[in-house]
Amino acid sequence: EPEVTQTPSHQVTQMGQEVILRCVPISNHLYFYWYRQILGQKVEFLVSFYNNEISEKSEIFDDQFSVERPDGSNFTLKIRSTKLEDSAMYFCASSGDSHNEQFFGPGTRLTVL
Amino acid sequence: RKEVEQDPGPFNVPEGATVAFNCTYSNSASQSFFWYRQDCRKEPKLLMSVYSSGNEDGRFTAQLNRASQYISLLIRDSKLSDSATYLCVLGRGQGNLIFGKGTKLSVKP
Repeated sequence: EPEVTQTPSHQVTQMGQEVILRCVPISNHLYFYWYRQILGQKVEFLVSFYNNEISEKSEIFDDQFSVERPDGSNFTLKIRSTKLEDSAMYFCASSGDSHNEQFFGPGTRLTVL
Repeated sequence: RKEVEQDPGPFNVPEGATVAFNCTYSNSASQSFFWYRQDCRKEPKLLMSVYSSGNEDGRFTAQLNRASQYISLLIRDSKLSDSATYLCVLGRGQGNLIFGKGTKLSVKP
């Protein structure tokens, strides 16, 4: 069964450093998303991406965040200058024609020290 | 008022029990509705979409009442493997999913 994959599974970084989280969505999907979940809290939407551009972004997705689809398979989330409060699980998701049935990757746990 | 409200639980039930989860939402513009389950420190996994006519998938039955802005999930004959957090999720037109905090279920032998 096709699945969304994410790397790395765990990233530890120092405050102020840049991180890039990587995702490989399901191959025939057209819509891509990033979500985050701070420990003990609900899953929160960050950004949606379609046709090589951002469709929608939340208030969390400020100028420190960017997304890119550098090739036909990868979808990345970059945080330019990490803060302590960026520590969370980051989930990538993708969907096909029915872009609300989203399938999630296993997540990257980001720890900012 | 929160966009999606769920009883946080935990619900502790014996194997074989029937358990019901409820969810209310505040935004009448929501276009689609889902139940996801999330195991500890894992990703959310789609359990089922929820339709106004109600839908069933094996032991799971979901209902949507748009007038009352209320969604439910019924699990019959619960199994140990059903232990997880059940997330009520709303979909918007651009694909933005709004998650509830979830209801934790623990099924005991």
